[in-house]
Amino acid sequence: AQTVTQSQPEMSVQEAETVTLSCTYDTSESDYYLFWYKQPPSRQMILVIRQEAYKQQNATENRFSVNFQKAAKSFSLKISDSQLGDAAMYFCAYRSVAAGTALIFGKGTTLSVSS
Amino acid sequence: EAGVAQSPRYKIIEKRQSVAFWCNPISGHATLYWYQQILGQGPKLLIQFQNNGVVDDSQLPKDRFSAERLKGVDSTLKIQPAKLEDSAVYLCASSLAHIAYEQYFGPGTRLTVT
Repeated sequence: AQTVTQSQPEMSVQEAETVTLSCTYDTSESDYYLFWYKQPPSRQMILVIRQEAYKQQNATENRFSVNFQKAAKSFSLKISDSQLGDAAMYFCAYRSVAAGTALIFGKGTTLSVSS
Repeated sequence: EAGVAQSPRYKIIEKRQSVAFWCNPISGHATLYWYQQILGQGPKLLIQFQNNGVVDDSQLPKDRFSAERLKGVDSTLKIQPAKLEDSAVYLCASSLAHIAYEQYFGPGTRLTVT
């Protein structure tokens, strides 16, 4: 079975600085998707960024980028120029292509941003 | 475009009572998911529908949880009878198709069982 591990329960960063959130996963599959979701306090979860496993190029969305290391089964999220609105719980998630589309989530990392 | 709607937003019940949650997915989304998010953990899939058929309910505690999706649109999730460990946020999500598309989440229903 696939598992997702986020080893950092909490992280903090100052405004305008850069922070990296870690995620590792375990799977025997060669084709899959990886995601980072953001869940602000008392607000709904939204997709931050997606990576297809067959793509070697790391995904980028504005200030958000990933470092995808397929062999190491590592998928970290880098947030550049951090803003107060980035404060939230961040979840790393895995989805198999072959087995269906349910997301398997890590336990999350709470990111706080200070001014 | 309207997002995924859920109601109620909050519910407090006593153990052994029953409760129902409602979800209205984004129009046209064939796939609907119910996730359970216990405090301090990531969401865990309870059940997945494709139109009005069940795709995966392997993690649904069927002795107390049930779900249906009538006419392939709205869905209800029911717990009867509730236990203390059912206290969680219940998230509904939908997607266009069951392969590659993004899942859109609703605001969730926070259930407290006392």
